[in-house]
Amino acid sequence: GEDVEQSLFLSVREGDSSVINCTYTDSSSTYLYWYKQEPGAGLQLLTYIFSNMDMKQDQRLTVLLNKKDKHLSLRIADTQTGDSAIYFCAETQDYGGSQGNLIFGKGTKLSVKP
Amino acid sequence: DTEVTQTPKHLVMGMTNKKSLKCEQHMGHRAMYWYKQKAKKPPELMFVYSYEKLSINESVPSRFSPECPNSSLLNLHLHALQPEDSALYLCASSQGTRSYEQYFGPGTRLTVT
Repeated sequence: GEDVEQSLFLSVREGDSSVINCTYTDSSSTYLYWYKQEPGAGLQLLTYIFSNMDMKQDQRLTVLLNKKDKHLSLRIADTQTGDSAIYFCAETQDYGGSQGNLIFGKGTKLSVKP
Repeated sequence: DTEVTQTPKHLVMGMTNKKSLKCEQHMGHRAMYWYKQKAKKPPELMFVYSYEKLSINESVPSRFSPECPNSSLLNLHLHALQPEDSALYLCASSQGTRSYEQYFGPGTRLTVT
């Protein structure tokens, strides 16, 4: 079955790097995503990676994918207090040209201390 | 414009009321979604509309009734809800059947009294 696991909490100091980890069980996952949710708000798509890629970098964000271990990570460089939020890892599968449903992890609450 | 808007932001309703949640996008997306999110939980998919037709209903009770009047609008009609239906209701949209990116609205915080 499909399952996406994340640690629930992460606390870092402002200026440090944050690394949020995620594991998934379905080897047929084709796309893996990171969403950010600030308190009382909707989900913001931060970045996504196709399963044939190892790494994707976008400004302060670096996504690493280890397909063999089914492990995904999101690194935020120079973490700021505005990065405090819940970060959801999610996956979808490719069903013959259509994307499957988003399967979310439980979310990691990132707290950034000044 | 990558915005999905939802109204109202907050809604309090009694168990006998009928109300509607509205969602709008002007990105030309042809797939639209309703999710329910309880506190400290990830979003759970409720419905998917693709090209204005209901394509997925995740066994949602009939007291929730979706409607897609046109490609830009998505409604969720609520009737005879229960207190356990209190949650954040999120709308999302994506470009079409090969859609890697879902854009979410800010949500409607629903409280059923």
